[in-house]
Amino acid sequence: EAGVAQSPRYKIIEKRQSVAFWCNPISGHATLYWYQQILGQGPKLLIQFQNNGVVDDSQLPKDRFSAERLKGVDSTLKIQPAKLEDSAVYLCASSAGGVGSGELFFGEGSRLTVL
Amino acid sequence: GDSVTQMEGPVTLSEEAFLTINCTYTATGYPSLFWYVQYPGEGLQLLLKATKADDKGSNKGFEATYRKETTSFHLEKGSVQVSDSAVYFCALSDLGYSTLTFGKGTMLLVSP
Repeated sequence: EAGVAQSPRYKIIEKRQSVAFWCNPISGHATLYWYQQILGQGPKLLIQFQNNGVVDDSQLPKDRFSAERLKGVDSTLKIQPAKLEDSAVYLCASSAGGVGSGELFFGEGSRLTVL
Repeated sequence: GDSVTQMEGPVTLSEEAFLTINCTYTATGYPSLFWYVQYPGEGLQLLLKATKADDKGSNKGFEATYRKETTSFHLEKGSVQVSDSAVYFCALSDLGYSTLTFGKGTMLLVSP
């Protein structure tokens, strides 16, 4: 079974530039998550999709971050314009769903460095 | 809001030593509790879980018991191996939600 695919693995940009990350979840997984992991901290949820609808985006900085999940499959997370504090690893995860199941399958992450 | 507190690392052990990584939580409801592990160069993966008080989760020789009275979910292993070197994350999922709240992670380094 193929895992969660993310790209690019690494990205270096200047502040105020834009960047986009792509995620393809495990086939058949209805729920997709984007997490931000700053160095030395645990992952923090940015947005959760159920199929192609947003379930929770309360911690997404909407002035600069956007995400979409067209057709309920793959997803794109965009940052525009980037700030220095956006340097982090962006993790995509998917799950088959279920309240409290907690079994999320993570991709390897996309490491962003903002200079 | 919900939160998870883990002991700071790195935890440095010799092979075959006993491991404990402490984890305590704060939640408004009755959460499910999880340990995730991140091996070098890989994504996070679920190690074990417990969904109600006094449950014990176990996998690959690791164990953790859900202690409601002390709001804890400490990770233990009787004899660590070099291949256990990784970052371990404690996490919770509160009732009614499928998202996870993570602790900061604890790095484990095991030497031969």
